Amino acid sequence: EAGVAQSPRYKIIEKRQSVAFWCNPISGHATLYWYQQILGQGPKLLIQFQNNGVVDDSQLPKDRFSAERLKGVDSTLKIQPAKLEDSAVYLCASSKIEGTVYNEQFFGPGTRLTVL
Amino acid sequence: RKEVEQDPGPFNVPEGATVAFNCTYSNSASQSFFWYRQDCRKEPKLLMSVYSSGNEDGRFTAQLNRASQYISLLIRDSKLSDSATYLCVVNAAGSYQLTFGKGTKLSVIP
Repeated sequence: EAGVAQSPRYKIIEKRQSVAFWCNPISGHATLYWYQQILGQGPKLLIQFQNNGVVDDSQLPKDRFSAERLKGVDSTLKIQPAKLEDSAVYLCASSKIEGTVYNEQFFGPGTRLTVL
Repeated sequence: RKEVEQDPGPFNVPEGATVAFNCTYSNSASQSFFWYRQDCRKEPKLLMSVYSSGNEDGRFTAQLNRASQYISLLIRDSKLSDSATYLCVVNAAGSYQLTFGKGTKLSVIP
């Protein structure tokens, strides 16, 4: 079974530039998550989708970050304009939904963003 | 108080040693608990779930104390391949969201 795919794997930009990340979840997984992991920290949830609807975006800095999952499959996360503190690894994860039982989240390899 | 707190580490142990990691969580409504493993510059992967009765998977034993809001992971007979960061993870009741601790880095030395 193919895992969660993300691209690009690495990105270096200057502050105030824009950047976009792409994620393709595991086939059949209804729920998709974007996390931000700053060096030395655990992943922090930015946004959660179920199919093409947003379940929770309470920790997404909406003045500069946006995300979409238009057809309920792949997703893009955009930062515009980027700040130095956005330097981090952006992880995408997906899971099945089966009632109210928690299902394991599978993570992609991440996109390592450096903002100069 | 942070939602999920872990031993700061790093832990440097010789091969064959037993090492224990501790974690506390602040949300008493938390429902599910996990340990994830993250290798250097890799994505997190589920190591094991943590059940109230405690559970064991080979050399790994996880314990949960709901009254104290405390989770532990014990690794026996450490191997070089156990070197990684171990993340304590909590899932709130009625939610699919995970809250991660900062992680504890383990280095197993020959």
